[in-house]
Amino acid sequence: QQQVKQSPQSLIVQKGGISIINCAYENTAFDYFPWYQQFPGKGPALLIAIRPDVSEKKEGRFTISFNKSAKQFSLHIMDSQPGDSATYFCAASAGYSTLTFGKGTMLLVSP
Amino acid sequence: DVKVTQSSRYLVKRTGEKVFLECVQDMDHENMFWYRQDPGLGLRLIYFSYDVKMKEKGDIPEGYSVSREKKERFSLILESASTNQTSMYLCASSTDTDTQYFGPGTRLTVL
Repeated sequence: QQQVKQSPQSLIVQKGGISIINCAYENTAFDYFPWYQQFPGKGPALLIAIRPDVSEKKEGRFTISFNKSAKQFSLHIMDSQPGDSATYFCAASAGYSTLTFGKGTMLLVSP
Repeated sequence: DVKVTQSSRYLVKRTGEKVFLECVQDMDHENMFWYRQDPGLGLRLIYFSYDVKMKEKGDIPEGYSVSREKKERFSLILESASTNQTSMYLCASSTDTDTQYFGPGTRLTVL
């Protein structure tokens, strides 16, 4: 069964700190790895995504690190801000298959 | 901007009732999806559709059906609502299976 395992379930980070969320997968056919951000009362929205031809992708304070051999990828939020407090989901898909989501991480950035 | 709207933000129904959840997207997307979101379980795919009148089962289709008579509209139907279907329901659409755009969700309570 296709699975994406996400950790931690919840995370508290001080303002200005680095938030790190990890995901691991088993299906080596996965070739697209997005992260979605969800604020309370809203639907998830695409934050950043990576394909396995690169090991890192950075967009502003958000960076995806990808380790193909370990079948792991992670989201790093630099200089975390209270406005980053949200639930984050990693996901993966293979070709034109549907997305398989992780179970989510609730991030709280304390002022 | 892509807009995905869901007919209700909150819905309360009784056990055994037939429930319709409506989703409309305004960007001419081919693909539409229904998920349910439960704490600690993440996003689980119920049904999806790649085209009008086409439907495919997701990971948890039991107790649900769908209808897609028009490209922009995708309906989720609970034939006989049960208490274990109390959940947040999210609709999404995409032009391919990569970036999915989500609606704000419908929180359904079945009493």
